[in-house]
Amino acid sequence: AQTVTQSQPEMSVQEAETVTLSCTYDTSESDYYLFWYKQPPSRQMILVIRQEAYKQQNATENRFSVNFQKAAKSFSLKISDSQLGDAAMYFCAYSSQGGSEKLVFGKGTKLTVNP
Amino acid sequence: DSGVTQTPKHLITATGQRVTLRCSPRSGDLSVYWYQQSLDQGLQFLIQYYNGEERAKGNILERFSAQQFPDLHSELNLSSLELGDSALYFCASSVHRDRVGSPLHFGNGTRLTVT
Repeated sequence: AQTVTQSQPEMSVQEAETVTLSCTYDTSESDYYLFWYKQPPSRQMILVIRQEAYKQQNATENRFSVNFQKAAKSFSLKISDSQLGDAAMYFCAYSSQGGSEKLVFGKGTKLTVNP
Repeated sequence: DSGVTQTPKHLITATGQRVTLRCSPRSGDLSVYWYQQSLDQGLQFLIQYYNGEERAKGNILERFSAQQFPDLHSELNLSSLELGDSALYFCASSVHRDRVGSPLHFGNGTRLTVT
């Protein structure tokens, strides 16, 4: 079974600075999808970014980018120019290709943005 | 707004009781997923339905059951409730085309408190 590990329970960053959240995963599959979801205090789960494992190019979405290292099974999220609204729990998630698209989540990292 | 609707937002009930949580997926989405989020277990996948049929099963207790109706809305039934069932229950939906890795879109969750 696939597992996702987020080793940083909490992180903090100054407004306008850059922060990187870590995620590692374990799988025997060669093709899969990886996601980062954000959960603000409103508790809604919001998709931040998606990466297809067969693509070597790292995904980017505005201020959010990933560093995908397939051999190392690492998938970190970089947030540039951090804003107060970025404060939230961030969850890394894994999905197999084909079959069920259910997500396996890590335990999350709580990000605090300091003004 | 994700387009996924969950009702009710909050539910308070006593041990031993039975409750039903309801979810309407985004228009056009065929798959519905149920997740349980608790402080100690994190986000746990419970069950997935695709176009009315059970597609995948996770760590769902025998006291819990779900179904997806012809109009694609889904219900999660929790019975013989215990204090430990107190959690945030999320519904998510996706288009679900094999080998696409379509992201899950989450509702705002139902906060269940068992007293």
